[in-house]
Amino acid sequence: QSALTQPASVSGSPGQSITISCTGTSSDVGGYNYVSWYQQHPDKAPKLMIYDVSHRPSGVSNRFSGSKSGNTASLTISGLLPEDEADYYCSSYTSSSTFEVVFGGGTKLTVL
Amino acid sequence: EVQLVESGGGLVQPGGSLRLSCAASGFNLSIYWMSWVRQAPGKGLEWVANIKEDGTEKYYVDSVKGRFSISRDNAKNSLYLQMNSLRAEDAAVYYCARSPPALDIWGQGTMVTVSS
Repeated sequence: QSALTQPASVSGSPGQSITISCTGTSSDVGGYNYVSWYQQHPDKAPKLMIYDVSHRPSGVSNRFSGSKSGNTASLTISGLLPEDEADYYCSSYTSSSTFEVVFGGGTKLTVL
Repeated sequence: EVQLVESGGGLVQPGGSLRLSCAASGFNLSIYWMSWVRQAPGKGLEWVANIKEDGTEKYYVDSVKGRFSISRDNAKNSLYLQMNSLRAEDAAVYYCARSPPALDIWGQGTMVTVSS
């Protein structure tokens, strides 16, 4: 149950695009198409932004997109807005039968 | 409105026990796996446990096995987390969340403080 690896911080200017990586192993990210991404503003509950690698829940802006290659998943945010500044966490199931979850350490996105 | 509301957090001494509750509204809890996720102050998210729709399967992160127990009462649309032998490192905000395919609905969290 080792945590997935994310960069501690990323930054970008309004209007730019950024990508956050999430590296795991063949036992989690690489083994299942069950990668999710969560946005968390200070003192708020996490919010689901991407599920099953690249699917957006209803109501989430299409500026958010997800992808995966091998053991690494990525979240891309295009057209950065000030309100995108938040912590972002990736997660993956480690078993398709028990739905046990492992999270990444989180990435602080700063919109300059 | 689909909603989860946690309660039961508070201050407890090391070695003590606490029972967290999570009340669901706006959806039928009985058709979903449910999870508990925690976040220590200033730290990241950590999945703690989950439970199958009918309560017959339960899974835990290694650090809480043998000390925490997840349960549910579908008739009351409620989820629970019994926490025993609490340690300082268990101090965190505890969230309940609906799952899978992802943790799509989260509660607002309840704070657990472990201190003498």
